[in-house]
Amino acid sequence: DSGVTQTPKHLITATGQRVTLRCSPRSGDLSVYWYQQSLDQGLQFLIQYYNGEERAKGNILERFSAQQFPDLHSELNLSSLELGDSALYFCASSVGRGIKAPEQFFGPGTRLTVL
Amino acid sequence: LAKTTQPISMDSYEGQEVNITCSHNNIATNDYITWYQQFPSQGPRFIIQGYKTKVTNEVASLFIPADRKSSTLSLPRVSLSDTAVYYCLVFNNAGNMLTFGGGTRLMVKP
Repeated sequence: DSGVTQTPKHLITATGQRVTLRCSPRSGDLSVYWYQQSLDQGLQFLIQYYNGEERAKGNILERFSAQQFPDLHSELNLSSLELGDSALYFCASSVGRGIKAPEQFFGPGTRLTVL
Repeated sequence: LAKTTQPISMDSYEGQEVNITCSHNNIATNDYITWYQQFPSQGPRFIIQGYKTKVTNEVASLFIPADRKSSTLSLPRVSLSDTAVYYCLVFNNAGNMLTFGGGTRLMVKP
């Protein structure tokens, strides 16, 4: 158990809909990262937040958005869903800034199925 | 932006040493090399991280040549439970543009 929790575990929805994925980082971790993993692709970095502020942006679509709240939990919002958005979405957390690149602790993931 | 390249798959047998190489030709001065292991339907798990030369922990070793344009993850005496996908990640503490390689699918056979 990494200490990172994600809800829901599974989500089934229809095209055009909007969903929200939730992540609670490990106690004390200030950074939250979101990743997408589809069957034919590896781990695609989406976005990182550090203590409530956006820190780094990866291959995140304009239909997707995220935020990190004062209690440090984070939400990833996916809108106008398409079939191709079906994937595993992972959240990871880390302590944050430091001398070395921080070790990331990954949650169990949310499996999104768009029908 | 440091891009990484890894072999897509590798096969090995129980008890053998496995070496997986990652190429990162345009690694930056502040970048660290980190390896993660992922089992099906689970989140990746940190294995090892290094900056230069050699790093060893209880599960693996990481070899990084002087030019740092590649790195090799070494798994000693693999077992069936080491069957997984291994990702090479080049990452700096500024958190800029995290880059995962495509991953190497390791199959350990009895």
